[in-house]
Amino acid sequence: KQEVTQIPAALSVPEGENLVLNCSFTDSAIYNLQWFRQDPGKGLTSLLLIQSSQREQTSGRLNASLDKSSGRSTLYIAASQPGDSATYLCAVANSGYALNFGKGTSLLVTP
Amino acid sequence: DTAVSQTPKYLVTQMGNDKSIKCEQNLGHDTMYWYKQDSKKFLKIMFSYNNKELIINETVPNRFSPKSPDKAHLNLHINSLELGDSAVYFCASSQQGGSLTDTQYFGPGTRLTVL
Repeated sequence: KQEVTQIPAALSVPEGENLVLNCSFTDSAIYNLQWFRQDPGKGLTSLLLIQSSQREQTSGRLNASLDKSSGRSTLYIAASQPGDSATYLCAVANSGYALNFGKGTSLLVTP
Repeated sequence: DTAVSQTPKYLVTQMGNDKSIKCEQNLGHDTMYWYKQDSKKFLKIMFSYNNKELIINETVPNRFSPKSPDKAHLNLHINSLELGDSAVYFCASSQQGGSLTDTQYFGPGTRLTVL
């Protein structure tokens, strides 16, 4: 059974800092890994998807890496802004018909 | 236009009642999902449907019955509601489940409170 762990559970940084969110998973036989953002009381927004054969994906200030053999992914956020404050969720697809989610990292970026 | 929509957004009901949550996607996707987010914010898959056929049923009580009248809709009916059913239920859809590049798009969620 796939287990997904995210560290840290919460993070508070001043505006402008670069930061790294970590995700680890126990079963390396994955289809892909997705990073989502969830704002309070809202749904999930997909940020990046990394296929199992890829090492990284970039979108704007976000960069996600994947090391399938070690069961790890990181989400790097450059030059953080208060608008980045949200919960970031890592999710792994094994069968392709379901995502296994971590419990998320709650990020607060202070002005 | 909203890509994945759910109704209602909030649902407050008494124990023992039966209720339904509706989900619609206008993305032309083949695969739809229901997830449950509990009080600790942990998201877990409940069901997935591909072209109206049930693919995954993750040890969900029989009181939960999904129904997919067509590819664009996946409704969730819950019988005999219990206190533990209180959660936020998210519907999602994707182009084609089982694909390496399949991205899931989520609805805004339905917050169910059972009193």
